[in-house]
Amino acid sequence: QQPVQSPQAVILREGEDAVINCSSSKALYSVHWYRQKHGEAPVFLMILLKGGEQKGHEKISASFNEKKQQSSLYLTASQLSYSGTYFCGTESSGNTPLVFGKGTRLSVIA
Amino acid sequence: KAGVTQTPRYLIKTRGQQVTLSCSPISGHRSVSWYQQTPGQGLQFLFEYFSETQRNKGNFPGRFSGRQFSNSRSEMNVSTLELGDSALYLCASSLMAATGELFFGEGSRLTVL
Repeated sequence: QQPVQSPQAVILREGEDAVINCSSSKALYSVHWYRQKHGEAPVFLMILLKGGEQKGHEKISASFNEKKQQSSLYLTASQLSYSGTYFCGTESSGNTPLVFGKGTRLSVIA
Repeated sequence: KAGVTQTPRYLIKTRGQQVTLSCSPISGHRSVSWYQQTPGQGLQFLFEYFSETQRNKGNFPGRFSGRQFSNSRSEMNVSTLELGDSALYLCASSLMAATGELFFGEGSRLTVL
């Protein structure tokens, strides 16, 4: 089942923060986050595993609430280079495929 | 290290025709997944192959098929094309099956007229 992402789109000014949420109706084994810039391939950001810790990547970090089957991606002090569409992907077990949400379009303006 | 290579990058077909798309994974990667990307629907899972075996299949009609060769290269085929099959088809490879970073190719953009 496809996870639900919110918001669908967000516009930020440089330096502002943003949170992108991803929720599933099924118990999750892992959550993946990818970013796709216009006309390019999606690029891996991070994986959060069940029972794992919050991950960080420069000024981008994420959390995983297993009980609520939710994950949040935090973008701090956004830069122009953060613009793109962010996808969360979820696995319900180690043997199931990665199912992606519809994406959140993030635009950072000067 | 070469990335994931997909061919052709762009193609135009007419309804009823069939198409074959190719994907060469990163050297050493044994798992290949295929996704269909359309505006508003995000990335829809098609299939996943590992060591020439289909591990998972998404909710697509039988017109969509795929295979993986012994060198890990993969192909997907769509027969009897419909207008709704117009999309960007993305291939992703990973070192092992399940739970791991996916490396995506730039995709094959299919337009069905």
